[in-house]
Amino acid sequence: GAGVSQSPSNKVTEKGKDVELRCDPISGHTALYWYRQRLGQGLEFLIYFQGNSAPDKSGLPSDRFSAERTGESVSTLTIQRTQQEDSAVYLCASSLGKYYDQETQYFGPGTRLLVL
Amino acid sequence: TQLLEQSPQFLSIQEGENLTVYCNSSSVFSSLQWYRQEPGEGPVLLVTVVTGGEVKKLKRLTFQFGDARKDSSLHITAAQPGDTGLYLCAGDDDYKLSFGAGTTVTVRA
Repeated sequence: GAGVSQSPSNKVTEKGKDVELRCDPISGHTALYWYRQRLGQGLEFLIYFQGNSAPDKSGLPSDRFSAERTGESVSTLTIQRTQQEDSAVYLCASSLGKYYDQETQYFGPGTRLLVL
Repeated sequence: TQLLEQSPQFLSIQEGENLTVYCNSSSVFSSLQWYRQEPGEGPVLLVTVVTGGEVKKLKRLTFQFGDARKDSSLHITAAQPGDTGLYLCAGDDDYKLSFGAGTTVTVRA
């Protein structure tokens, strides 16, 4: 019964480098979401997975951002050629994925990314 | 993306006082959720309101959903230092959530 876990918890990188952020959802949850939270702001939706397919990638800010998911398990968010404006907390959430709406999303603690 | 506005942005009160946080939208949501987020953690769901006019109570917290399902409020009675945190409202936008910017609440002992 562990919750959603994310790694690393903190990441400092130099502008132009690539980073990979990992999310381990709750076991049995088929739906997985990535959100971004900039300092002092609410969460912005990035991408939604149902199983290993991503029917909604509309929130990805640019083609430097991509994500994949292995089966109904781990997901990786990759940011290529990082820019300073990518600095934010990246949050992952998972839900059962059976009832389409009004499902409770359970959030991980986030990865704090700082691009110097 | 539907926009949710929260007010006030910051709220600092003394222990024992009451407070109200507001969440407003120009769009209708099928449901609205309230979360609390503490530093270094992800948001934790407090409540989901679904029916227009609905009122839900969670100990000292009272949540209301407007009749038109466009606005909501969170009222805390006799606030305690443990209520300190970032309160976020989120509208159910199909499978994804649209979040407000949050209200940072500080309760001073």
